[in-house]
Amino acid sequence: SAVISQKPSRDICQRGTSLTIQCQVDSQVTMMFWYRQQPGQSLTLIATANQGSEATYESGFVIDKFPISRPNLTFSTLTVSNMSPEDSSIYLCSVEDLRVQETQYFGPGTRLLVL
Amino acid sequence: SQKIEQNSEALNIQEGKTATLTCNYTNYSPAYLQWYRQDPGRGPVFLLLIRENEKEKRKERLKVTFDTTLKQSLFHITASQPADSATYLCALGIGAGNKLTFGGGTRVLVKP
Repeated sequence: SAVISQKPSRDICQRGTSLTIQCQVDSQVTMMFWYRQQPGQSLTLIATANQGSEATYESGFVIDKFPISRPNLTFSTLTVSNMSPEDSSIYLCSVEDLRVQETQYFGPGTRLLVL
Repeated sequence: SQKIEQNSEALNIQEGKTATLTCNYTNYSPAYLQWYRQDPGRGPVFLLLIRENEKEKRKERLKVTFDTTLKQSLFHITASQPADSATYLCALGIGAGNKLTFGGGTRVLVKP
Protein backbone atom coordinates (compact mmCIF):
# COMPACT_ATOMS: atom_id res chain seq x y z
CA SER A 1 0.00 0.00 0.00
CA ALA A 2 1.07 3.58 -0.58
CA VAL A 3 2.72 5.47 2.26
CA ILE A 4 1.66 9.12 2.39
CA SER A 5 3.29 11.76 4.53
CA GLN A 6 2.15 15.31 5.10
CA LYS A 7 4.07 18.29 6.38
CA PRO A 8 3.50 20.01 8.68
CA SER A 9 1.45 17.69 10.86
CA ARG A 10 0.02 20.71 12.65
CA ASP A 11 0.47 24.46 12.76
CA ILE A 12 -0.88 27.55 14.42
CA CYS A 13 -1.00 30.57 12.15
CA GLN A 14 -2.00 34.20 12.33
CA ARG A 15 -4.86 35.50 10.23
CA GLY A 16 -3.83 37.03 6.93
CA THR A 17 -0.85 34.73 6.49
CA SER A 18 -0.51 31.72 4.17
CA LEU A 19 0.52 28.14 4.82
CA THR A 20 1.76 25.57 2.32
CA ILE A 21 1.04 21.93 3.09
CA GLN A 22 3.13 19.25 1.46
CA CYS A 23 1.99 15.76 0.50
CA GLN A 24 4.56 13.11 -0.40
CA VAL A 25 3.73 9.62 -1.68
CA ASP A 26 6.19 6.74 -1.82
CA SER A 27 4.97 5.60 -5.25
CA GLN A 28 3.91 7.24 -8.48
CA VAL A 29 0.22 8.03 -8.69
CA THR A 30 -1.79 9.85 -11.30
CA MET A 31 -4.56 11.29 -9.18
CA MET A 32 -4.16 13.13 -5.90
CA PHE A 33 -6.96 14.73 -3.95
CA TRP A 34 -7.09 17.45 -1.31
CA TYR A 35 -9.81 17.47 1.33
CA ARG A 36 -10.81 19.67 4.23
CA GLN A 37 -12.34 18.31 7.42
CA GLN A 38 -13.66 21.02 9.69
CA PRO A 39 -14.09 20.27 13.41
CA GLY A 40 -16.78 17.65 13.94
CA GLN A 41 -17.56 17.51 10.22
CA SER A 42 -16.94 15.09 7.42
CA LEU A 43 -14.53 15.42 4.55
CA THR A 44 -15.13 17.95 1.80
CA LEU A 45 -13.20 17.65 -1.46
CA ILE A 46 -11.29 20.82 -2.30
CA ALA A 47 -9.70 19.81 -5.58
CA THR A 48 -8.27 17.03 -7.68
CA ALA A 49 -4.63 17.42 -8.70
CA ASN A 50 -3.31 15.51 -11.70
CA GLN A 51 0.29 15.77 -12.73
CA GLY A 52 0.80 17.88 -15.80
CA SER A 53 -2.50 19.72 -15.68
CA GLU A 54 -4.24 22.40 -13.68
CA ALA A 55 -6.02 21.27 -10.55
CA THR A 56 -9.79 20.90 -10.78
CA TYR A 57 -11.60 22.71 -7.97
CA GLU A 58 -14.94 21.81 -6.44
CA SER A 59 -17.77 24.25 -6.02
CA GLY A 60 -16.98 26.75 -3.28
CA PHE A 61 -13.22 26.47 -3.63
CA VAL A 62 -11.09 28.74 -5.81
CA ILE A 63 -7.50 28.70 -6.96
CA ASP A 64 -6.69 32.10 -5.49
CA LYS A 65 -7.54 30.85 -2.01
CA PHE A 66 -6.20 27.29 -2.37
CA PRO A 67 -3.45 27.20 -5.00
CA ILE A 68 -2.20 23.69 -5.69
CA SER A 69 1.00 22.46 -7.27
CA ARG A 70 1.64 18.99 -8.68
CA PRO A 71 5.18 19.03 -10.04
CA ASN A 72 5.57 15.24 -10.33
CA LEU A 73 3.82 11.93 -9.73
CA THR A 74 4.81 11.64 -6.05
CA PHE A 75 4.34 15.14 -4.66
CA SER A 76 1.77 17.91 -4.30
CA THR A 77 1.31 21.06 -2.26
CA LEU A 78 -1.80 22.90 -1.13
CA THR A 79 -1.51 26.50 0.00
CA VAL A 80 -4.13 28.06 2.24
CA SER A 81 -3.88 31.77 1.42
CA ASN A 82 -4.82 34.85 3.42
CA MET A 83 -6.06 32.69 6.26
CA SER A 84 -8.93 33.48 8.58
CA PRO A 85 -10.16 31.56 11.65
CA GLU A 86 -12.74 29.87 9.40
CA ASP A 87 -9.86 28.07 7.69
CA SER A 88 -9.09 26.21 10.91
CA SER A 89 -9.47 22.62 9.86
CA ILE A 90 -7.72 19.37 9.11
CA TYR A 91 -6.39 19.21 5.56
CA LEU A 92 -5.89 15.76 4.07
CA CYS A 93 -4.38 14.58 0.86
CA SER A 94 -5.27 11.26 -0.68
CA VAL A 95 -4.30 9.18 -3.68
CA GLU A 96 -6.08 6.58 -5.68
CA ASP A 97 -5.46 3.14 -4.21
CA LEU A 98 -4.32 1.00 -7.13
CA ARG A 99 -5.01 -2.20 -5.16
CA VAL A 100 -8.74 -1.50 -5.10
CA GLN A 101 -9.91 0.56 -8.02
CA GLU A 102 -11.83 3.72 -7.22
CA THR A 103 -10.86 3.75 -3.56
CA GLN A 104 -8.51 6.20 -1.92
CA TYR A 105 -5.61 6.03 0.46
CA PHE A 106 -5.35 8.97 2.83
CA GLY A 107 -2.50 10.80 4.45
CA PRO A 108 -2.46 11.53 8.19
CA GLY A 109 -3.68 15.10 7.74
CA THR A 110 -2.43 18.55 8.68
CA ARG A 111 -4.19 20.15 11.62
CA LEU A 112 -4.37 23.93 11.14
CA LEU A 113 -5.47 26.49 13.71
CA VAL A 114 -5.80 30.11 12.61
CA LEU A 115 -5.88 32.75 15.32
CA SER B 1 -30.77 19.21 -2.94
CA GLN B 2 -28.23 16.43 -2.74
CA LYS B 3 -27.63 14.91 0.66
CA ILE B 4 -25.78 12.01 2.23
CA GLU B 5 -27.02 11.30 5.72
CA GLN B 6 -25.51 9.17 8.42
CA ASN B 7 -26.74 9.01 11.97
CA SER B 8 -24.88 11.82 13.70
CA GLU B 9 -25.55 10.36 17.14
CA ALA B 10 -22.90 8.06 18.49
CA LEU B 11 -23.73 4.37 18.53
CA ASN B 12 -22.94 2.74 21.87
CA ILE B 13 -22.89 -1.03 21.71
CA GLN B 14 -21.88 -3.90 23.94
CA GLU B 15 -18.93 -6.05 22.94
CA GLY B 16 -20.01 -9.10 20.98
CA LYS B 17 -23.17 -7.51 19.59
CA THR B 18 -23.73 -6.43 16.00
CA ALA B 19 -23.44 -2.73 15.19
CA THR B 20 -25.58 -1.54 12.27
CA LEU B 21 -24.96 1.84 10.65
CA THR B 22 -27.04 3.49 7.95
CA CYS B 23 -26.15 5.72 5.04
CA ASN B 24 -29.04 7.36 3.19
CA TYR B 25 -28.68 9.55 0.15
CA THR B 26 -30.98 11.72 -1.95
CA ASN B 27 -30.68 13.09 -5.46
CA TYR B 28 -27.60 11.03 -6.25
CA SER B 29 -27.15 8.08 -8.60
CA PRO B 30 -23.86 6.61 -7.40
CA ALA B 31 -21.99 4.02 -9.38
CA TYR B 32 -20.61 2.66 -6.11
CA LEU B 33 -20.58 3.29 -2.40
CA GLN B 34 -17.67 2.91 -0.01
CA TRP B 35 -17.19 2.69 3.72
CA TYR B 36 -14.17 4.10 5.56
CA ARG B 37 -13.02 3.99 9.14
CA GLN B 38 -11.48 7.05 10.76
CA ASP B 39 -9.70 7.07 14.10
CA PRO B 40 -9.07 10.35 15.98
CA GLY B 41 -6.18 12.31 14.50
CA ARG B 42 -5.81 10.06 11.49
CA GLY B 43 -6.97 9.92 7.90
CA PRO B 44 -9.79 7.60 6.82
CA VAL B 45 -8.98 3.99 5.97
CA PHE B 46 -10.87 2.15 3.24
CA LEU B 47 -12.95 -0.84 4.37
CA LEU B 48 -15.41 -1.96 1.70
CA LEU B 49 -16.71 -0.97 -1.73
CA ILE B 50 -20.06 -2.07 -3.14
CA ARG B 51 -21.24 -1.33 -6.67
CA GLU B 52 -24.72 -0.36 -7.83
CA ASN B 53 -25.36 -3.84 -9.25
CA GLU B 54 -24.33 -5.61 -6.04
CA LYS B 55 -26.64 -6.28 -3.10
CA GLU B 56 -24.18 -7.36 -0.44
CA LYS B 57 -20.46 -7.50 0.27
CA ARG B 58 -18.61 -9.12 3.15
CA LYS B 59 -15.13 -8.84 4.56
CA GLU B 60 -14.34 -10.75 7.72
CA ARG B 61 -16.73 -9.37 10.38
CA LEU B 62 -17.97 -6.57 8.15
CA LYS B 63 -21.01 -6.67 5.87
CA VAL B 64 -22.37 -3.97 3.58
CA THR B 65 -25.67 -3.89 1.74
CA PHE B 66 -26.70 -1.50 -0.99
CA ASP B 67 -30.31 -0.83 -1.97
CA THR B 68 -30.47 1.61 -4.88
CA THR B 69 -34.28 1.66 -4.72
CA LEU B 70 -34.30 2.77 -1.09
CA LYS B 71 -31.13 4.83 -1.71
CA GLN B 72 -29.60 3.30 1.36
CA SER B 73 -26.59 1.32 2.48
CA LEU B 74 -26.31 -0.60 5.73
CA PHE B 75 -22.96 -1.35 7.34
CA HIS B 76 -22.77 -4.15 9.90
CA ILE B 77 -19.98 -4.98 12.31
CA THR B 78 -20.65 -8.43 13.75
CA ALA B 79 -19.16 -9.71 17.01
CA SER B 80 -18.04 -6.16 17.74
CA GLN B 81 -14.89 -5.53 19.74
CA PRO B 82 -13.64 -2.46 21.62
CA ALA B 83 -11.01 -2.08 18.87
CA ASP B 84 -13.86 -1.40 16.43
CA SER B 85 -14.53 1.90 18.21
CA ALA B 86 -14.06 4.63 15.60
CA THR B 87 -15.98 6.90 13.25
CA TYR B 88 -17.33 5.21 10.14
CA LEU B 89 -17.87 7.22 6.97
CA CYS B 90 -19.80 6.31 3.87
CA ALA B 91 -18.77 7.82 0.56
CA LEU B 92 -20.48 7.87 -2.81
CA GLY B 93 -18.66 7.60 -6.09
CA ILE B 94 -20.31 9.94 -8.52
CA GLY B 95 -19.23 10.95 -11.97
CA ALA B 96 -15.83 10.64 -13.51
CA GLY B 97 -12.43 10.95 -11.94
CA ASN B 98 -12.88 8.71 -8.88
CA LYS B 99 -14.22 11.61 -6.85
CA LEU B 100 -15.85 10.73 -3.56
CA THR B 101 -18.56 12.57 -1.65
CA PHE B 102 -18.57 11.73 2.05
CA GLY B 103 -21.35 11.50 4.59
CA GLY B 104 -21.01 13.05 8.03
CA GLY B 105 -19.92 9.82 9.70
CA THR B 106 -21.21 7.84 12.67
CA ARG B 107 -19.12 7.36 15.78
CA VAL B 108 -19.22 3.84 17.20
CA LEU B 109 -18.21 3.04 20.76
CA VAL B 110 -17.96 -0.62 21.69
CA LYS B 111 -17.99 -1.21 25.43
CA PRO B 112 -16.33 -4.25 26.98
